Amino acid sequence: DVKVTQSSRYLVKRTGEKVFLECVQDMDHENMFWYRQDPGLGLRLIYFSYDVKMKEKGDIPEGYSVSREKKERFSLILESASTNQTSMYLCASRTGWYGYTFGSGTRLTVV
Amino acid sequence: DQQVKQNSPSLSVQEGRISILNCDYTNSMFDYFLWYKKYPAEGPTFLISISSIKDKNEDGRFTVFLNKSAKHLSLHIVPSQPGDSAVYFCAASAGSGNTGKLIFGQGTTLQVKP
Repeated sequence: DVKVTQSSRYLVKRTGEKVFLECVQDMDHENMFWYRQDPGLGLRLIYFSYDVKMKEKGDIPEGYSVSREKKERFSLILESASTNQTSMYLCASRTGWYGYTFGSGTRLTVV
Repeated sequence: DQQVKQNSPSLSVQEGRISILNCDYTNSMFDYFLWYKKYPAEGPTFLISISSIKDKNEDGRFTVFLNKSAKHLSLHIVPSQPGDSAVYFCAASAGSGNTGKLIFGQGTTLQVKP
């Protein structure tokens, strides 16, 4: 089975801090995604990557950046954390033609 | 603009009864639809899918129906079990292409009462 691992389950950060969320997949997949989940808004795509060093903006990229230096690792960066970035962050790897495998998520609280 | 909509934030059913979760979409280019299930503090997991060339797909207790003319799909769970209590997300894809990007709905929280 594909495994997608997010390094932290819970994080608490201060406003203005630079935050790194790490995601690693173990199946050499090309496509990886970062979503955030908020009540009433569902899963919204922040950024995705279809190859090493390749990235594209999703629907809500403002305030975020990403890094994909190695195929297995896709990092989400909050340049200067703000309270409205408090959310559940979900990383996914594309498995098969349409399916995703998600990580367990990182619950980020910005205070 | 929300291309995939789940208009019911929550649904409560009795154990053993049918659960029907609904999803509407606006983009006629969507050609593949999926349902994901999410428990608290876990990532979503794939449940069932359907191609736009079909109108029904069944997997055990789960059946997905697609009505392309109405741009509507639904997930039926029969019989519902307490372990089915979770958030259900509908998702759609407009061709796999290079990115395989999925567009998700807002989610419906299903509660199955014993």
